[in-house]
Amino acid sequence: QSALTQPRSVSGSPGQSVTISCTGTSSDVGGYNYVSWYQQHPGKAPKLMIYDVSKRPSGVPDRFSGSKSGNTASLTISGLQAEDEADYYCCSYAGSYTFVFGGGTKLTVL
Amino acid sequence: QVQLVQSGAEVKKPGSSVKVSCKASGGTFSSYTISWVRQAPGQGLEWMGRIIPILGIANYAQKFQGRVTITADKSTSTAYMELSSLRSEDTAVYYCARVEGWELRYWGQGTLVTVSS
Repeated sequence: QSALTQPRSVSGSPGQSVTISCTGTSSDVGGYNYVSWYQQHPGKAPKLMIYDVSKRPSGVPDRFSGSKSGNTASLTISGLQAEDEADYYCCSYAGSYTFVFGGGTKLTVL
Repeated sequence: QVQLVQSGAEVKKPGSSVKVSCKASGGTFSSYTISWVRQAPGQGLEWMGRIIPILGIANYAQKFQGRVTITADKSTSTAYMELSSLRSEDTAVYYCARVEGWELRYWGQGTLVTVSS
């Protein structure tokens, strides 16, 4: 089971929007609407930001949104803020009660 | 309020085993799946496996099959992850997380396991 593919890094200026892609296969991302996204600051545990492709847990700003097309899911952060600088990971259900993560994307706010 | 509290850091010799615990509070322990995820230094997240406490059934990532055992004790609301035949590449922070639906909604604070001779 291979990790999902994410860009190693993305960057944007405050107020701008950035999109992070997450590419898998028809056995994971493309096969289920169970993609989630996690934010991780250095030395901290991951935090759920998006689940079921596009749903936001309570407390997550609506600047964060998710979508999916075919085997690729995307996380878009609009109105970038300094505190958004972190690592972001996608995760997909992969059948047989297993999950697979992406390799992670480092977001830099310029 | 759901909380997952993990056991403390461990230093192990190559070839030995480690058992990390994850005690849950808030909510019904047995009803939710607990997953284990690890993160090697400077690396990404890696899903290892999961257990449904109410059934005691565990599933593992292919990579860890035969080397990892995930169990749960309903009486103490505690899940365990035991990894055997440790090697230096197993040095990582190990997280437990409670799964709701198909997402890892609540996370423990992480446990650093260092494998060194």
